[in-house]
Amino acid sequence: QKEVEQNSGPLSVPEGAIASLNCTYSDRGSQSFFWYRQYSGKSPELIMFIYSNGDKEDGRFTAQLNKASQYVSLLIRDSQPSDSATYLCAAGRLRETSGSRLTFGEGTQLTVNP
Amino acid sequence: NAGVTQTPKFRILKIGQSMTLQCTQDMNHNYMYWYRQDPGMGLKLIYYSVGAGITDKGEVPNGYNVSRSTTEDFPLRLELAAPSQTSVYFCASSYRGGSPLHFGNGTRLTVT
Repeated sequence: QKEVEQNSGPLSVPEGAIASLNCTYSDRGSQSFFWYRQYSGKSPELIMFIYSNGDKEDGRFTAQLNKASQYVSLLIRDSQPSDSATYLCAAGRLRETSGSRLTFGEGTQLTVNP
Repeated sequence: NAGVTQTPKFRILKIGQSMTLQCTQDMNHNYMYWYRQDPGMGLKLIYYSVGAGITDKGEVPNGYNVSRSTTEDFPLRLELAAPSQTSVYFCASSYRGGSPLHFGNGTRLTVT
């Protein structure tokens, strides 16, 4: 089982729709969860992070975390063509000691069609 | 603010050659990381460091070496380059373990 698994893509939605991206993780000790957006040929950029169960909203983006189900999701409302990118989910533990690092999923490619 | 700076942006190596990928950050982050990303894949951790003088292996360390003599710099050394090392390499830093990563712009390496 992969440590972080994302729903297989590619995902295609029409402009203005809601895009839903999902991620599950295997390490029950994971405490921090991130969504990165990566445009083709560019480096990943952080768009959301969440540490507590529930929803966290930032503009058109909502991250949802359910630790009991080991599930993280990202909703993009009013999707725009500029949202077309690969979205990477990452999970990690908040530690000061050696061994702390994020584990990434393989990414979900999203295309928003005008 | 420069953030995380990687050099070079592109490099072509012949099989068996060696090279060093440079990474420096100006955010005074203790944690630094090297990831590789193969086409259509996620990020795989090569090595990481929790502070100057401390390094540890990630998921895919074979064929690579690192050092961390200062807080700012975290170079990645490739010895005896192989075609399997053709990839995009990202350096990143973070304030602490598990906190958001700040990525450099990447180095695209081809080994032929």
